[in-house]
Amino acid sequence: QSVLTQPPSASGTPGQRVTISCSGSSSNIGSNTVNWYQQLPGTAPKLLIYSNNQRPSGVPDRFSGSKSGTSASLAISGLQSEDEADYYCAAWDDSLNVYVVFGGGTKLTVL
Amino acid sequence: EVQLVESGGGLVQPGGSLRLSCAASGFTFSSYWMSWVRQAPGKGLEWVANIKQDGSEKYYVDSVKGRFTISRDNAKNSLYLQMNSLRAEDTAVYYCARTTIPDYWGQGTLVTVSS
Repeated sequence: QSVLTQPPSASGTPGQRVTISCSGSSSNIGSNTVNWYQQLPGTAPKLLIYSNNQRPSGVPDRFSGSKSGTSASLAISGLQSEDEADYYCAAWDDSLNVYVVFGGGTKLTVL
Repeated sequence: EVQLVESGGGLVQPGGSLRLSCAASGFTFSSYWMSWVRQAPGKGLEWVANIKQDGSEKYYVDSVKGRFTISRDNAKNSLYLQMNSLRAEDTAVYYCARTTIPDYWGQGTLVTVSS
């Protein structure tokens, strides 16, 4: 059971906009920034969004992030087949004995 | 270009030990916190440990405390994870990653704990 809660799956058709949610608590998302990662099949995770809504160089602006209270969201617009992957959120957690927490991951299927 | 290359994974019996290494290049290694993150087969990501730039602070997930030790050698641009008393549930791909909430990841090394 992950500390951050994500839907296990999401789907969309090419060109659509999809959102993936990440729910936490006051000790993690509520008081710290959120990162999002994309993991293509058989590969290592790749940073997609940092500090809630910042894109690293090279990440298309089709990907955007937001945060409100103890929840965060990743939005993907103009969905493409190559976006089919697992997506994870992550945040620092201020609770005792817990430092970095990840969401359980969301498998995105492009129909 | 930032590169992180893990090595040292393999098959080990329950109760055994293994030492993972991560060779870093393309950035000033001594200026960054470093982390280990693992992913069990078919499962999600789990943070394992991280270490401060000078090695003076180290943090671990509860499930590995007392069994795993993270360390680094800034002169060699290398990160390590000494894993002792390994259990079946430690079976995973282990990723070396830069900073506490990772920005760059290595390709991972598979650790299989089985008799």
